[in-house]
Amino acid sequence: AQTVTQSQPEMSVQEAETVTLSCTYDTSESDYYLFWYKQPPSRQMILVIRQEAYKQQNATENRFSVNFQKAAKSFSLKISDSQLGDAAMYFCAYRGLMAQGAQKLVFGQGTRLTINP
Amino acid sequence: DAGITQSPRHKVTETGTPVTLRCHQTENHRYMYWYRQDPGHGLRLIHYSYGVKDTDKGEVSDGYSVSRSKTEDFLLTLESATSSQTSVYFCAISEELNTEAFFGQGTRLTVV
Repeated sequence: AQTVTQSQPEMSVQEAETVTLSCTYDTSESDYYLFWYKQPPSRQMILVIRQEAYKQQNATENRFSVNFQKAAKSFSLKISDSQLGDAAMYFCAYRGLMAQGAQKLVFGQGTRLTINP
Repeated sequence: DAGITQSPRHKVTETGTPVTLRCHQTENHRYMYWYRQDPGHGLRLIHYSYGVKDTDKGEVSDGYSVSRSKTEDFLLTLESATSSQTSVYFCAISEELNTEAFFGQGTRLTVV
């Protein structure tokens, strides 16, 4: 079974600085996706960035980028120029496939990010 | 935003009573999912559906049942609620060739 581990329950960063959130996962599959989701106090799950396992190039979305190390099964999220609106719970998630083509999302425990003004 | 509506958004119920949560989508997506979110566990899959009347168990299915009689509706039922089922419940949808799952706003259920 796949597992996802986020070892940092809480992180804080000064506004405009850079912060990196860690994630490791375990799988025996070769074809999968990895995601970072943001959950603000509104509870909405917002997709921040995705990475396809077969792509060696790290994904980037504006101020958000990942460091994907497939052999090490590591998938960290870097937030540059942190803004107050980045404060949220962040979840790392692994996506495999189940029977009938349904998605199997396995989530880490979450990292609560605080932005200090 | 994907058209997913969960109802109710908040519910308090007593131990031993039945509870049904509803997920309604307007996207005509094939797959629908129910997750629960608890501190220290992230989100965990309860049940999912891959079509009308087609459902299967997820990771934490004990004490829950689901039904899907129409493409747009996916119901989660707690036959006899227990305090351990106090949680935030999320519905999600996905389509066959789409890599992204879309989530509803969540339902906070408290069992007292």
